Amino acid sequence: DTAVSQTPKYLVTQMGNDKSIKCEQNLGHDTMYWYKQDSKKFLKIMFSYNNKELIINETVPNRFSPKSPDKAHLNLHINSLELGDSAVYFCASSLDSGQNEQFFGPGTRLTVL
Amino acid sequence: GEDVEQSLFLSVREGDSSVINCTYTDSSSTYLYWYKQEPGAGLQLLTYIFSNMDMKQDQRLTVLLNKKDKHLSLRIADTQTGDSAIYFCAVRSGGSYIPTFGRGTSLIVHP
Repeated sequence: DTAVSQTPKYLVTQMGNDKSIKCEQNLGHDTMYWYKQDSKKFLKIMFSYNNKELIINETVPNRFSPKSPDKAHLNLHINSLELGDSAVYFCASSLDSGQNEQFFGPGTRLTVL
Repeated sequence: GEDVEQSLFLSVREGDSSVINCTYTDSSSTYLYWYKQEPGAGLQLLTYIFSNMDMKQDQRLTVLLNKKDKHLSLRIADTQTGDSAIYFCAVRSGGSYIPTFGRGTSLIVHP
């Protein structure tokens, strides 16, 4: 009965590699998000999709590309990984893009060596 | 843009009350949230308050909002060791899709 799930939970990789993180929600929500939490716990929005359409794209390097094959999934692909990409990445969803509560996934801890 | 500030750490004794404070800068902030993050887990919404309210109580949790000073607080009564976590304040204006999060306050509860 998982609400928002992410895979993998941990990801360790070398600089320069390309990797993907997957997110799925079974809540029937229309809106999904990706957040980055750095080592100081600062949580920053990266992207938001509503019904598979991109509605928020903060200042994120274009090495990061979100993909939403359907409204239950929002995957994050990262090209040419850099040391500074090491962080915990959280997926979240909400009923719509209005004022509703966001439900967060458990996070993916990415370590770039 | 919005700026949300919290102190980084709070240490309390089990059974005492905890008060976690948050200040924000945007006076048009409409929705104010408190999230809890346990180790290795995602954020979980604890409670929220609308800007037309001054206080909200939910069991052991009390949220106080001082709009004049742009100050939000979360009080946890009878704090238990299971309350040890990071608590995030988040603030959102009516015209924004996304809340701005503070950096989180680590609450440490010791016996």
